[in-house]
Amino acid sequence: SAVISQKPSRDICQRGTSLTIQCQVDSQVTMMFWYRQQPGQSLTLIATANQGSEATYESGFVIDKFPISRPNLTFSTLTVSNMSPEDSSIYLCSVVNYGYTFGSGTRLTVV
Amino acid sequence: AQSVTQLDSHVSVSEGTPVLLRCNYSSSYSPSLFWYVQHPNKGLQLLLKYTSAATLVKGINGFEAEFKKSETSFHLTKPSAHMSDAAEYFCVVSNNFGNEKLTFGTGTRLTIIP
Repeated sequence: SAVISQKPSRDICQRGTSLTIQCQVDSQVTMMFWYRQQPGQSLTLIATANQGSEATYESGFVIDKFPISRPNLTFSTLTVSNMSPEDSSIYLCSVVNYGYTFGSGTRLTVV
Repeated sequence: AQSVTQLDSHVSVSEGTPVLLRCNYSSSYSPSLFWYVQHPNKGLQLLLKYTSAATLVKGINGFEAEFKKSETSFHLTKPSAHMSDAAEYFCVVSNNFGNEKLTFGTGTRLTIIP
């Protein structure tokens, strides 16, 4: 299965600012997924990112708040924009390559 | 549409006794089903998966799960709990028709009593 490098692993950010999270995969994959895990909660899919097309967002998530880039088949970024304390969560990327693999997550705290 | 329901938010068992974590699913298609474990402050680890082959699936660390279509269930079991099994467990479903996103259950926190 694929190996994902996700960074940063954690960050503390001021409200109103933005944070960009990166995921690098060691093999080419068609779809990448971005999830959010709020404190004490399960994982919720934010969007699906295909290379060469715009990301597909799930209900409750919008591109202006969570813009995603997918410049090639091994890399993607998720930006959390204009952050508020409610955005404090763990954000994870995931790919499908002979199974589902998850990045180690980015623990974001907004103060 | 697809969904999973984890019937217990918290399960406590004594060390050395059996573990049962319950999961029911709903899917419009033949589903793929997974159990993931998340230890405190750690990433997600795949325990086992069902993808329309054998209905009894064996995973890592002595866990197994049985796919029962008639009951739309995919319960996770282990014959003898170990202290290291204390973690959060997620039942996950995916449909098999190209849209391979995962839908997570709300999780079951497993506590092991010494």
